[in-house]
Formats: sequence, C-alpha cells, structure tokens
Amino acid sequence: DSGVTQTPKHLITATGQRVTLRCSPRSGDLSVYWYQQSLDQGLQFLIQYYNGEERAKGNILERFSAQQFPDLHSELNLSSLELGDSALYFCASSLGLAGAGTGELFFGEGSRLTVL
Amino acid sequence: DQQVKQNSPSLSVQEGRISILNCDYTNSMFDYFLWYKKYPAEGPTFLISISSIKDKNEDGRFTVFLNKSAKHLSLHIVPSQPGDSAVYFCAASATRSGTYKYIFGTGTRLKVLA
Repeated sequence: DSGVTQTPKHLITATGQRVTLRCSPRSGDLSVYWYQQSLDQGLQFLIQYYNGEERAKGNILERFSAQQFPDLHSELNLSSLELGDSALYFCASSLGLAGAGTGELFFGEGSRLTVL
Repeated sequence: DQQVKQNSPSLSVQEGRISILNCDYTNSMFDYFLWYKKYPAEGPTFLISISSIKDKNEDGRFTVFLNKSAKHLSLHIVPSQPGDSAVYFCAASATRSGTYKYIFGTGTRLKVLA
C-alpha cells in the first residue's frame, strides 16, 4: 500500500460526458502528479501540483483540467470525453519536488476510465 | 519526442541469473533518474534512484548504473526471482531546470522463468 488513494477505481461513461478523478496523496506529501497510461503505452505526464500551485505541465489536453485543494487532495477533470481518452489515470505524490531525497514518486492504483 | 527510451519491450531471464534492463535518454539536462516496477492492476512501485553525481547506486539485489556520456542507464537485478516478473519503467527529471516533472519510458516487460 503506497498510501496514495485514487477514486473511483473503475469508471465507464459515454462520449461527450465529463468525469472527475480524485486523488489523496500520502500523508505529508505536498506534490501531486497525474499520469495517463493508454493501452500498452508508457506513463504520459499530464500535470503536477506542489502545495496547491501548478508547477509543471505535460501534454495535457485543453479538455482536461486539474487542481490541488488546500487539504492537498487533487482532482483531474476530463470533459467532452472521446473514445481515445480511455486509459488508466495514475496519481502519484512525493514529499517535495523532483530530486534526491524528497522527490521519489509514490503511485496510487489508478483509475481505469472506459469511454463508450 | 520520446526523451526517455526503453528499446526492449520485453526480456526473459532464467531464475537465478542476472536481468539487465536498459534505458536511454536524450535530454542532457536530466540529472535524476528512477526505476519503477509495475504489476498488473497495480500502480508503479519505486525501486531505486540515482543522481547524476553518481555512476552507481545499489540496494540489495538491485543496482542502477548511469553512464552520462552515453546518456544511458541500466538496472541490474541479481539474482533474478520469479517475483521480479513485472513491467519496469525508467524515469528522468531535470531537477535544476525548475520543471520538476518526471518523464517515463515505455517500459520493459521482464519475465523470470523458474
């Protein structure tokens, strides 16, 4: 158990819909990362927050948005869903920013999104 | 542009032998590297990391080697055990650049044969 909690574990929805994925980081971790893993693909970096502020952005679509709340949990919002958005969405947390000692990522078990 | 590459999608090794997983990167700003293991239906699990100020880091059966001039790192698992069968990802970050994001490779599926 990594200490990172993601909900829901599974989600099935239709094209055009909007969903929200939630992540609770490990106790004490300030940094939250979101990654997308499509079928047989690597982990694609979406976005990172540190103590409530956006710190890094990857190839995140404009239809997607995220935020980190004062209690440090994070939500990833996916809207106008398309078939190609079907994927595993992982949240990870770390104590600090990337780097030795505090930057190691701890991943949740992921939220599997299926868009029909 | 895939900045972190794992060119071997899969690898099979006999139990007790050495497993060597390779990773290449293109961005010379990368200075911190991690290896993760992922079992099906689970999130990736941190294995070992290395900073660019070192060329080797060891933790039990796992050793990571970094060759900065070749922009190459490798993970050695000795001896390999059936429980090591999983997908292994390498990841890199440019910590001095202020971007703080980790770029992952596409993974190598390791199968350790009993």
